[in-house]
Amino acid sequence: NFMVTQPHSVSESPGKTVTISCTRSSGSIASNYVQWYQQRPGSSPTAVIYEDNQRPSGVPDRFSGSIDSSSNSASLTISGLKTEDEADYYCQSYDSSNHVVFGGGTKLTVL
Amino acid sequence: EVQLVESGGGLVKPGGSLRLSCAASGFTFSTYSMNWVRQAPGKGLEWVSSISSGSDYIYYADSVKGRFTISRDNAKNSLYLQMNSLRAEDTAVYYCARRTYGSSWLLDQWGQGTLVTVSS
Repeated sequence: NFMVTQPHSVSESPGKTVTISCTRSSGSIASNYVQWYQQRPGSSPTAVIYEDNQRPSGVPDRFSGSIDSSSNSASLTISGLKTEDEADYYCQSYDSSNHVVFGGGTKLTVL
Repeated sequence: EVQLVESGGGLVKPGGSLRLSCAASGFTFSTYSMNWVRQAPGKGLEWVSSISSGSDYIYYADSVKGRFTISRDNAKNSLYLQMNSLRAEDTAVYYCARRTYGSSWLLDQWGQGTLVTVSS
């Protein structure tokens, strides 16, 4: 089994670009797809990226995902930050035992 | 419109039991794998359990294995989580979530959650 680690918090100004990382502890990041979820306060999570870099219908193209084998990590990048992007973001993958693995979450502050 | 509506949460004493339900509508429930995911107050998401469309494959997080049982009734479009031997650390909002088709393990639809509080 493996874990995925995210920074606890990030902050950036409106209009700027922010990147949130998700580092896999063992095994290749490319072995299993990574998803990203946004959770606003008091709401349920919603997916913003699936299969490493795909956007669900309705998610603006300001959201993008990627993986980097050299750092064994996935990244969520949000460009043209808006105040409405302020939320908690979670990366998620799955292991060889079909157990879902969530990162600890990153609180994005847009100030 | 896809809807997942959880129910059954509440206050229970340590060592007690509770059964959560998730009523699904707006899609062909019997063809999707389903999951339970929980979130302790002020904490992150924690996957609890998953069940395949025909209940052939069932998986549990180590933290609940042997105490929780996931099940489904496709005729009733319902997902369940039987929780026994509850502990204070099981206090959380419990979400049911649909896994999309394919190999990605994307949880594409989530309910609004039901709060379980384990306290004496």
